[in-house]
Amino acid sequence: SQTIHQWPATLVQPVGSPLSLECTVEGTSNPNLYWYRQAAGRGLQLLFYSVGIGQISSEVPQNLSASRPQDRQFILSSKKLLLSDSGFYLCAWSVFGSYEQYFGPGTRLTVT
Amino acid sequence: GNSVTQMEGPVTLSEEAFLTINCTYTATGYPSLFWYVQYPGEGLQLLLKATKADDKGSNKGFEATYRKETTSFHLEKGSVQVSDSAVYFCALSAAGGTSYGKLTFGQGTILTVHP
Repeated sequence: SQTIHQWPATLVQPVGSPLSLECTVEGTSNPNLYWYRQAAGRGLQLLFYSVGIGQISSEVPQNLSASRPQDRQFILSSKKLLLSDSGFYLCAWSVFGSYEQYFGPGTRLTVT
Repeated sequence: GNSVTQMEGPVTLSEEAFLTINCTYTATGYPSLFWYVQYPGEGLQLLLKATKADDKGSNKGFEATYRKETTSFHLEKGSVQVSDSAVYFCALSAAGGTSYGKLTFGQGTILTVHP
């Protein structure tokens, strides 16, 4: 069966520090991968999605970037965090050609 | 563009009450529709789905019917339990073009069920 992992689970970082969040998927090949941010426990905002290694599409201009160095690995990064980057970050995957997305457990980021 | 509007909430019910959470959508073409549930501190879980008009998705006592004529996908459950307390998200995935495979979410509805 397929599983999706995210780490770390929680993170507290000072303003101006770098960020690296990792997401990995097991049990499937060539998945579509997605990064979302959820603010205040409510609506989800799609940040990035990827249909293959090295292929990243950005949905919203911002302080963040994403990379996909391996088929089942998706990384969210920032060179300098802002207070507004605080939130709950969710990674998701889907089978190529399918509409269903499956979410990881999330990373709670607090920028102080 | 695509959009999803769902009942604002929060919704507070007593155990065994009937639940309805309204969801309407705007989309071009023929989207697939989903309900996701998020328990406190966790990621989203797919609750049910429908891929074409008049399809009924169901899971764990929850149901929703894809109504193309009213562009709606309301979530219902006949008898809620305390364990159903969570945030519920309606979402659509549009086929084709630049929207392919992407989900558009509603703002979420907080459900609290009291014993």
